[in-house]
Amino acid sequence: NAGVMQNPRHLVRRRGQEARLRCSPVKGHSHVYWYRQLPEEGLKFMVYLQKENIIDESGMPKERFSAEFPKEGPSILRIQQVVRGDSAAYFCASSPSPISSGNTIYFGEGSWLTVV
Amino acid sequence: GESVGLHLPTLSVQEGDNSIINCAYSNSASDYFIWYKQESGKGPQFIIDIRSNMDKRQGQRVTVLLNKTVKHLSLQIAATQPGDSAVYFCAENVGGSNYKLTFGKGTLLTVNP
Repeated sequence: NAGVMQNPRHLVRRRGQEARLRCSPVKGHSHVYWYRQLPEEGLKFMVYLQKENIIDESGMPKERFSAEFPKEGPSILRIQQVVRGDSAAYFCASSPSPISSGNTIYFGEGSWLTVV
Repeated sequence: GESVGLHLPTLSVQEGDNSIINCAYSNSASDYFIWYKQESGKGPQFIIDIRSNMDKRQGQRVTVLLNKTVKHLSLQIAATQPGDSAVYFCAENVGGSNYKLTFGKGTLLTVNP
């Protein structure tokens, strides 16, 4: 998994609370992606960020979800007022440049969110 | 909707046999494909990739075949080992999107000793 670090690995939140997931990309990678995986399903694209910019957030719910990738520090996926349907595994991936330029993307180990 | 799908949701093989996992895609504009392996509780692990200007690519014990005519992708694993047991996903990158991957639902490979 090429060094993409995610934390926490497991997170339990009560309905209505906030969940904050962190992702440190591979050193030198400036492109970060977030995907969500529901049980027994494939990964679904949520958002694509470059340093300080959101490039595509078309896969992210418009309400309660937000993502950032600041100039310094990890990328953050924030889910406000969580509901049970937010329970899923959230994966972060990174690459040094877009896929089309010959690079692939490598995923972290994921953050498993459980909403009770 | 999803443009990547798998013919078989589960595959059970004997240790030492070869495994073939299939994947169909519907978007002819897809130009890059990746196979990932995911073990329980872990993230997707890159196995092998292939671009649309190729029809075959080999790695260590794995081969990916791409048939653009019928929009079909397969992953062949030689001499399957118990450690190969996992869910395998194919993912495609649709041409024009240089970052977004679309995943299929996955095939569960079980290797029997």
